[in-house]
Amino acid sequence: DQQVKQNSPSLSVQEGRISILNCDYTNSMFDYFLWYKKYPAEGPTFLISISSIKDKNEDGRFTVFLNKSAKHLSLHIVPSQPGDSAVYFCAASESNTGKLIFGQGTTLQVKP
Amino acid sequence: DTAVSQTPKYLVTQMGNDKSIKCEQNLGHDTMYWYKQDSKKFLKIMFSYNNKELIINETVPNRFSPKSPDKAHLNLHINSLELGDSAVYFCASSLRTGKAFFGQGTRLTVV
Repeated sequence: DQQVKQNSPSLSVQEGRISILNCDYTNSMFDYFLWYKKYPAEGPTFLISISSIKDKNEDGRFTVFLNKSAKHLSLHIVPSQPGDSAVYFCAASESNTGKLIFGQGTTLQVKP
Repeated sequence: DTAVSQTPKYLVTQMGNDKSIKCEQNLGHDTMYWYKQDSKKFLKIMFSYNNKELIINETVPNRFSPKSPDKAHLNLHINSLELGDSAVYFCASSLRTGKAFFGQGTRLTVV
C-alpha cells in the first residue's frame, strides 16, 4: 500500500520553462513533506520542504505547494535549467518518527 | 568534507556470504537510518537509530542486523546473502525530526 505516489514517471520540459512535479499522499497524519533530487550513482540530496501548517514554501527557483484537503503537493521549478535534469523524489513523514515515506520518483529532463 | 559517507560504494559477493556496509556522519545528528532502493527504484526505510537506540525496524529479514557503536556510526551487517538482497543501500542521518541527509549509496550485487 503506497502512501506517497508520484504518478508521472517522467517529465520533459524546455530550458527556461516551468517544471511542475506532482505528488499525492494518503496518510493524513503526515505533517512534513520534502523533495529530494537524485543524480545517477549518487544519494538523494535535499531540495526543499514544507510543514503541513503552510501551503507554500519558496527557495530561489524552487517552490513547493501543499494542498492538504486534496492531499497533494507539487514542486515548481522556474526557470528550468539543464542541470535540473535528475530524478525527483517526494517524501512525507510524521514528525514524531523522522521516518520518510518516499514516492517512486519522477525523472525530469530539461532540454537545452 | 563528506557529511554522510558509506563504504564500500560497490559490493559484489556470492550467495550465502556475510557482508557489512559501514556508515559515518559528521553532522552531529542524533538519528541515523538505512534505506533500501530496490530494482523498481522504490526507496524504503529499513532501520532507524536514535542515540544508538533502535527506534524503527521495518519488516526486514533478521539476516539484516544494524549496529550503532556510537551516534556517528551505523553499520549494516547482512548474513547469508540472497539474490533478492541485490539493491542499492543508502545510509542517512538527521536531527530527530528534521530533513535527512543521505550517503552516496552502496550498490550490492549478489551473484
